[in-house]
Amino acid sequence: SQQGEEDPQALSIQEGENATMNCSYKTSINNLQWYRQNSGRGLVHLILIRSNEREKHSGRLRVTLDTSKKSSSLLITASRAADTASYFCATQLNTGGFKTIFGAGTRLFVKA
Amino acid sequence: DGGITQSPKYLFRKEGQNVTLSCEQNLNHDAMYWYRQDPGQGLRLIYYSQIVNDFQKGDIAEGYSVSREKKESFPLTVTSAQKNPTAFYLCASSSRRAGSSYNEQFFGPGTRLTVL
Repeated sequence: SQQGEEDPQALSIQEGENATMNCSYKTSINNLQWYRQNSGRGLVHLILIRSNEREKHSGRLRVTLDTSKKSSSLLITASRAADTASYFCATQLNTGGFKTIFGAGTRLFVKA
Repeated sequence: DGGITQSPKYLFRKEGQNVTLSCEQNLNHDAMYWYRQDPGQGLRLIYYSQIVNDFQKGDIAEGYSVSREKKESFPLTVTSAQKNPTAFYLCASSSRRAGSSYNEQFFGPGTRLTVL
């Protein structure tokens, strides 16, 4: 199975609610990144958290990392219809080098 | 504008034909990547290149070929040996910051390839 696996696979919420997506991985990482993809488009980098960090914020985004559980979560607060997209976690392994492994993504739908 | 571009946006190919997808970046990034994305799936790495005239196979390189003659360009050829080439292809690039490994990747808009 993949290094990074997101949960849930799909999420539907009302505008204004918070959305939480989780990512689990298997091997030691250098960093973990979250990306967003609108339908039929390229991915856009959202936030990067290093293995020695536990939490980062960027605007309405909050990312946590628990290396003991090999898991991360992405929280989007006060969601908007424009947040509707797929969200991917990507792990960069701690083996020296730069290969980044992407999970299958969480499809978020925010209803207006 | 700085960025990464891919062309064409849509590409149709007959079975048995080779096709080449273009990827160009003006971000002065050293590393470039090609990914394949199937419906509802994540990204799978096809090939990557860290420097000019050097590239390595990713997880699903069979049936694909690349070249890196210029820092700005990393074209991908989908050969007739690729048995199921219909997919969305994404090109990305990244730079290396001093004292760290490669970090965030910048993606192009993608090319959707359909085999008829």
